Amino acid sequence: DAGVIQSPRHEVTEMGQEVTLRCKPISGHNSLFWYRQTMMRGLELLIYFNNNVPIDDSGMPEDRFSAKMPNASFSTLKIQPSEPRDSAVYFCASGQGQSYEQYFGPGTRLTVT
Amino acid sequence: GEDVEQSLFLSVREGDSSVINCTYTDSSSTYLYWYKQEPGAGLQLLTYIFSNMDMKQDQRLTVLLNKKDKHLSLRIADTQTGDSAIYFCAETGGSYIPTFGRGTSLIVHP
Repeated sequence: DAGVIQSPRHEVTEMGQEVTLRCKPISGHNSLFWYRQTMMRGLELLIYFNNNVPIDDSGMPEDRFSAKMPNASFSTLKIQPSEPRDSAVYFCASGQGQSYEQYFGPGTRLTVT
Repeated sequence: GEDVEQSLFLSVREGDSSVINCTYTDSSSTYLYWYKQEPGAGLQLLTYIFSNMDMKQDQRLTVLLNKKDKHLSLRIADTQTGDSAIYFCAETGGSYIPTFGRGTSLIVHP
């Protein structure tokens, strides 16, 4: 298996633009997590899906952030409009059933200027 | 909310043992984890321990859990330059959602 796949790996955009980050979880995994990592705040959980349904989105910073999981093999995290303070590394992770282990993707480094 | 605390940096000489410490507040923690993050990569699970255990050993890695003091440690024997990375402590209670510490940057000097 290729592991969790994220795209793009790097994204540089201007303030106000829409940004879409993509994630393909490991086949057979039914849990998906989006995290944000910054020096200031560490690793923050943004949203968690189980069987494609959002279970906990309490970590989503504000209405500018939205996440979808239209099927078991794909998820997006969208920021509209983007702001410089959104600059971070965004990770997607997937997990399986009752296992607590999470498998992380390589991350997307987002820079908003 | 629940909290996981780690020191931010640890510097050791190659060949020495490294001990990375972590404290947590959730008394209902079921699983405790150590993840490793290398530069430019995502987190990778190194090892985990059930809360009813006090020690787990896996090759060069030894995890010690003091549940009374809510203290978790990771010992890396014979530390190598390839062990340089950020190490995250994490815990889960009754849900799938882990609480992560801020990470400890391990720097290994030749």
